[in-house]
Amino acid sequence: EGQLVESGGVLVQPGRSLRLSCAASGFTFDDYAIHWVRQTPGKGLEWVAGISRNSVEIAYADSVKGRFTTYRDNVNNSLFLQMNRLGPEDTALYYCVKGRVAAVANGLDIWGHGTMVVVSS
Amino acid sequence: DIQMTQSPSSLSASVGDSVTITCRASQNILKFLHWYQVTPGKAPKLLVYTTSNLQTGVPPRFSGSGSGTQYTLTVNSLQPEDFATYYCQQSYSTPITFGGGTRVEVK
Repeated sequence: EGQLVESGGVLVQPGRSLRLSCAASGFTFDDYAIHWVRQTPGKGLEWVAGISRNSVEIAYADSVKGRFTTYRDNVNNSLFLQMNRLGPEDTALYYCVKGRVAAVANGLDIWGHGTMVVVSS
Repeated sequence: DIQMTQSPSSLSASVGDSVTITCRASQNILKFLHWYQVTPGKAPKLLVYTTSNLQTGVPPRFSGSGSGTQYTLTVNSLQPEDFATYYCQQSYSTPITFGGGTRVEVK
């Protein structure tokens, strides 16, 4: 079974930028869509962004549209999330998640363990 | 955006009980509905995909059903490891949206 390992989460000041990374292994990376989902402390799951297998389709949650950008490197089996103009509301555990199929809109079947982002002054 | 409403937000049950969680979509999502289990300290786990298909390795005491805007997850004969929070998720359209979660607690 596949594995996803996130990195890059840190404490960052409001207004700053941060890039998260996700390294995939154990499955054919460029056959599947990959997503970012976040979980805020004490609250639920929020889908953040998803990118199709060939990057033709990229979608974002309304809450991050225009601030966050996701992109993938199919040669190195990696996914990235560039987060700009961070605010306290972006504080969360960020998961990298494999989609069940190549397109963005579907279920999410392999989850990483997450990387924590804290936005605070 | 499609809104997903789960009920109840929490419930108390005992080992061996059966529980049912409901998820209502703000529009017809044509069975593009999935269920996840979240346990503290662990990565979320896909239980059921596309309304009623059990993910590989998930015990058959879990089952899903529904259509249109109404969907349910049933857990028969609750086991100690089933006390967790459950989320539904629609993939009919982007943005993908989750329900607010249902916490299943020990009575």
